[in-house]
Amino acid sequence: EPEVTQTPSHQVTQMGQEVILRCVPISNHLYFYWYRQILGQKVEFLVSFYNNEISEKSEIFDDQFSVERPDGSNFTLKIRSTKLEDSAMYFCAVGGASGYEQYFGPGTRLTVT
Amino acid sequence: GENVEQHPSTLSVQEGDSAVIKCTYSDSASNYFPWYKQELGKRPQLIIDIRSNVGEKKDQRIAVTLNKTAKHFSLHITETQPEDSAVYFCAASNPQGGYQKVTFGTGTKLQVIP
Repeated sequence: EPEVTQTPSHQVTQMGQEVILRCVPISNHLYFYWYRQILGQKVEFLVSFYNNEISEKSEIFDDQFSVERPDGSNFTLKIRSTKLEDSAMYFCAVGGASGYEQYFGPGTRLTVT
Repeated sequence: GENVEQHPSTLSVQEGDSAVIKCTYSDSASNYFPWYKQELGKRPQLIIDIRSNVGEKKDQRIAVTLNKTAKHFSLHITETQPEDSAVYFCAASNPQGGYQKVTFGTGTKLQVIP
């Protein structure tokens, strides 16, 4: 199972502020994913990233969201102007060696006040 | 897009009994069906998966079945233990060249009563 770390583990921010969530996959991967899970709800796909560009995004991933791989290792999710409804767990995910499995990082709990 | 339905939403069983969680999916192109276990405040952890070329897969106390014709798949846990208590999510995807977007079900909260 690939090792994925995420920072911070918990982020508290005020409405309207920008936040950057970081993911560090230990091994080399082609595809990266961000998912969101509002408390008590299911895990929802946000965006996938391949070869330094977005390959697919959901309707949740609107103009306030962006992703990038700034230095070839970190993979970031930026929310430009946070809203109360952005409060959720955000998980980074990568694929397994077989091309089938998908493994999740420990998540960042974002609280918008 | 894909839509995955899951039931029941909650399930309580006595320790030692079996638990069954059922899911349906809508997209006939989906061919990979993972199951994730999520403990409170933790990440979803892959516990078992099944590909569309098989109808059943077993790993110790856990088994999954798949009916592609009916677009149904199920998770069976036998001899349940208190540590099986968690939220279980079924999911579906269509992996293509290493890429896959996973669509999750709504989750089943399993409580195993000692």
